[in-house]
Amino acid sequence: DIQMTQSPSSVSGSVGDRVTITCRASQGFSGSLAWYQQKPGKAPNLLIFGASSLQSGVPSRFTGSESGTDFTLTISNLQPEDVATYYCQQANSFPLTFGGGTKVEMK
Amino acid sequence: QVSLVQSGAEVKTPGSSVKVSCKSSGGSFSTYAINWVRQAPGQGLEWMGRTVPIFAAPIYAQKFQGRVTITADKSTSTVYMELRSLKSDDTALYFCARGLGGNGYYYSYMAVWGEGTPVTVSS
Repeated sequence: DIQMTQSPSSVSGSVGDRVTITCRASQGFSGSLAWYQQKPGKAPNLLIFGASSLQSGVPSRFTGSESGTDFTLTISNLQPEDVATYYCQQANSFPLTFGGGTKVEMK
Repeated sequence: QVSLVQSGAEVKTPGSSVKVSCKSSGGSFSTYAINWVRQAPGQGLEWMGRTVPIFAAPIYAQKFQGRVTITADKSTSTVYMELRSLKSDDTALYFCARGLGGNGYYYSYMAVWGEGTPVTVSS
């Protein structure tokens, strides 16, 4: 199974800050990664697929990138509505696996 | 607008089975993958398996192999997930989630989610 190690487990920022979340895969693959946002009591919401493609309706301040086995989600210009837990998910092989999550909070 | 509506909360005893339904409406049914993902209280997300109704060949995570069955009823656009031999650590919120598109590249990107079905396993 591909293990996805997500860091940090939590991060806080002020309005307008840039926040970066990283997922490292235990095995190399290219492009097959998604990012989700989950707010308390709600289902996850797809933000990014294919490592860097923005899902329809998602604000452009969310961007995804990859470098080797590292995948990054960047939230530019952090907004109060971005407070949530974020998960990466590899779509390269079965079983599909998720990172452990990163909780984003406001200072 | 595609939506997924799941069945209601369940309380089960250890050793029993649960069957959760996920009814799709508003879009194509047979060519889109339906994934099942669970989330234990305060924990992260765990993929259990998925089916693409037109192929009727579900794929399961090894962890659940032999204990889970995912089926699809094309006549009602409903997918079912049955989990057997329940244990206390199966207590979780169970989500169904539809793939982003109707071909293989998009099956594993989960774009539309049900509201979740809480399953509690307790004696």
